[in-house]
Amino acid sequence: EDQVTQSPEALRLQEGESSSLNCSYTVSGLRGLFWYRQDPGKGPEFLFTLYSAGEEKEKERLKATLTKKESFLHITAPKPEDSATYLCAVQAWGSGGSNYKLTFGKGTLLTVNP
Amino acid sequence: EPEVTQTPSHQVTQMGQEVILRCVPISNHLYFYWYRQILGQKVEFLVSFYNNEISEKSEIFDDQFSVERPDGSNFTLKIRSTKLEDSAMYFCASNLDGSSYNEQFFGPGTRLTVL
Repeated sequence: EDQVTQSPEALRLQEGESSSLNCSYTVSGLRGLFWYRQDPGKGPEFLFTLYSAGEEKEKERLKATLTKKESFLHITAPKPEDSATYLCAVQAWGSGGSNYKLTFGKGTLLTVNP
Repeated sequence: EPEVTQTPSHQVTQMGQEVILRCVPISNHLYFYWYRQILGQKVEFLVSFYNNEISEKSEIFDDQFSVERPDGSNFTLKIRSTKLEDSAMYFCASNLDGSSYNEQFFGPGTRLTVL
């Protein structure tokens, strides 16, 4: 069974204070690892997809990295508008190639204080 | 920018009643999904749908649940006899071809409250 564990559950930063969020995963065969942002009462908003160990992707103040067991979301000089829950999800290779579901972690609630 | 839309935003129902949650996926997308998120819990996969049939479903998606694409634009989730534990946020998602090379776009969700 695919599993995703995110840590910490909550993180409070001061504006400009860089940090990292962790996503550990167990999957039979990784098709893709996804990062989403979720604002309160809203649906997940796509950020990145990573496919293989060593891959990195950046978007504004966010950078996602991937190893064979975990992914990190690095936040550089965060601003209050970066406050949200960050979700990690995996998509696995399934039998017959039709397994496209995402398995999510519980998320990390990030609060950035001005 | 195209987006997934869902109606209603909030549905309150009595236990045992039937509810239908509606979604309009992005127009050129071929794969459709329903997920749910119980308050404080993970987003959980319910079902995926392609070419007018279910591709995959989770253990949660039992005989009380059904999905349908009644026309060229809508995608619906029906719960036949709601239970208290069905109270959750229900998200519809779609993507172009189901692969990881095309992200799943999520709608804003329908909050279902079962009393």
